[in-house]
Amino acid sequence: AQSVTQLDSQVPVFEEAPVELRCNYSSSVSVYLFWYVQYPNQGLQLLLKYLSGSTLVESINGFEAEFNKSQTSFHLRKPSVHISDTAEYFCAVSDFSGGYNKLIFGAGTRLAVHP
Amino acid sequence: ETGVTQTPRHLVMGMTNKKSLKCEQHLGHNAMYWYKQSAKKPLELMFVYSLEERVENNSVPSRFSPECPNSSHLFLHLHTLQPEDSALYLCASSPAGTALAYEQYFGPGTRLTVT
Repeated sequence: AQSVTQLDSQVPVFEEAPVELRCNYSSSVSVYLFWYVQYPNQGLQLLLKYLSGSTLVESINGFEAEFNKSQTSFHLRKPSVHISDTAEYFCAVSDFSGGYNKLIFGAGTRLAVHP
Repeated sequence: ETGVTQTPRHLVMGMTNKKSLKCEQHLGHNAMYWYKQSAKKPLELMFVYSLEERVENNSVPSRFSPECPNSSHLFLHLHTLQPEDSALYLCASSPAGTALAYEQYFGPGTRLTVT
């Protein structure tokens, strides 16, 4: 069975500092990986995804994630965070084992950006 | 309206009430999902509908009853709930059966409080 581990439940960081949110996955088949962000009192929004091709994927708001097959990781990074990046971040891996699409989510990492 | 919408956004109900949550997607997708998000717990996948057929029921108590009358609408009927059922209920949709199937789009959620 596929699984996702987010190693940090909370990450506090100062504004304009770099940040890395860690994600490791367990999968025996080809993987498709996602990062979602959830702002307070909202649903999950897709931040970026890795389906194939370049192992480095970027979002429109400065986040990037790198697919590392040998490390089975898909860590999320941003070189300089803003207060507005405060949110919960979920890593997910696709699962098609039942003949239909579903996502397996990690437990989430709460990013708190302080002034 | 665009994307995935959910109504109501907030719901308070007693343990003997019957209520329904509604989800509607305007994306032309044909797979829909219900998730439960409780404080300090990972996202729990409750039900999956693919091409209007229920394909997954993750040991959800019978006091939760899903209904998918067509590919655009999904309901979650609630009756005789318990206080531990208080949570954010998220609906999501995705295409089914294509390479884009691995990406899900979420609604804003219904915040349910059982008193």
